[in-house]
Amino acid sequence: AQKITQTQPGMFVQEKEAVTLDCTYDTSDPSYGLFWYKQPSSGEMIFLIYQGSYDQQNATEGRYSLNFQKARKSANLVISASQLGDSAMYFCAMNSVETSGSRLTFGEGTQLTVNP
Amino acid sequence: DAMVIQNPRYQVTQFGKPVTLSCSQTLNHNVMYWYQQKSSQAPKLLFHYYDKDFNNEADTPDNFQSRRPNTSFCFLDIRSPGLGDAAMYLCATSRDWGIGGRLAEAFFGQGTRLTVV
Repeated sequence: AQKITQTQPGMFVQEKEAVTLDCTYDTSDPSYGLFWYKQPSSGEMIFLIYQGSYDQQNATEGRYSLNFQKARKSANLVISASQLGDSAMYFCAMNSVETSGSRLTFGEGTQLTVNP
Repeated sequence: DAMVIQNPRYQVTQFGKPVTLSCSQTLNHNVMYWYQQKSSQAPKLLFHYYDKDFNNEADTPDNFQSRRPNTSFCFLDIRSPGLGDAAMYLCATSRDWGIGGRLAEAFFGQGTRLTVV
């Protein structure tokens, strides 16, 4: 079975500062993918960044980077230079073809609030 | 350009009255998913279609049904909505089934927020 754990129900950060959102995962499959999605209050899920289990380097997408520590089974999202528009719910998710086909398993999410 | 479109954005239905939510996609993806998301919770997969093949999650109540008449459209039918079915319903697509990596990315619609009165 696969499991995603996000231990921070809520996080606060000052505008322009960096913030790290934690994600740990559990799977017995050697090949898997990790995704981060952002969900504003309007409801849509927006893809942010992807990390494959065999990727040698940490993924980066603009202000988003993923701190991937495979041995610790963690995939923390780092948002640099926070903006007010970053206030949203953030979900970590994983997929493993062997266990789950293409379906994604989501964590419980972290509500991020960016203060001016 | 919207790629996964859900209608309506907000739906109010009466307790026990059947309701249908719709989803369309312009991505030509083989897989379409329906998720239920209750307040402050993770999305929960209800079922998915791989092309015309319907796949129910083991714990999806019988009250929830789905139809996919063609590649572009997928419907969620709630036969007798209860108060506990009030939630955000998210439709998503992915390119194919049984693929991993970046190609497993799910593309989501804006969701339909269902209220049961």
